[in-house]
Amino acid sequence: DAKTTQPTSMDCAEGRAANLPCNHSTISGNEYVYWYRQIHSQGPQYIIHGLKNNETNEMASLIITEDRKSSTLILPHATLRDTAVYYCIVRVRTNAGKSTFGDGTTLTVKP
Amino acid sequence: DAGITQSPRHKVTETGTPVTLRCHQTENHRYMYWYRQDPGHGLRLIHYSYGVKDTDKGEVSDGYSVSRSKTEDFLLTLESATSSQTSVYFCAISEGGGGTDTQYFGPGTRLTVL
Repeated sequence: DAKTTQPTSMDCAEGRAANLPCNHSTISGNEYVYWYRQIHSQGPQYIIHGLKNNETNEMASLIITEDRKSSTLILPHATLRDTAVYYCIVRVRTNAGKSTFGDGTTLTVKP
Repeated sequence: DAGITQSPRHKVTETGTPVTLRCHQTENHRYMYWYRQDPGHGLRLIHYSYGVKDTDKGEVSDGYSVSRSKTEDFLLTLESATSSQTSVYFCAISEGGGGTDTQYFGPGTRLTVL
């Protein structure tokens, strides 16, 4: 599976959009981009995933560049409860067992 | 929330003792996984299962074994625990093994090996 690179930490003001970048320059055509978050040592929580089109759900939006080498997770109106570690991973279509979680981005939402 | 429970939630044991962690699911999902997470780091896959009695190794499988005799239960065993296995262990499930199959995680088991 392709490796991902994320900033170690980011801050965001409450009520503003949080934009979390992820670089996956070695991604291959059959790999999906997934985002999870982990709040204070709880189990990771699924947020969103995509292949090449932008995706939106009730939690967030995922913007994938046309060359698929990077993506951005957008939390449109960050709240204090969004403070967490955010993981960007890429997964082969038929090999879920080989998912690799890197160190993620610690997002701190400030009042 | 997906129906995943882990037991025990906390355990302290001594070096050299065997330890078994249990993951139980009520979702009837085919795939189950064991990860470990060390302080300040992401999750690393230990083993996973793609069906009853079907398992495969992850990236950090040395010192661990697994068993799955029923769809709902996936056991992780440390045959002889070492201090390097002190960690938080997470179980996860997914309906399938494809790239579109979302993984859902349990609450974790904090293991301390003295």
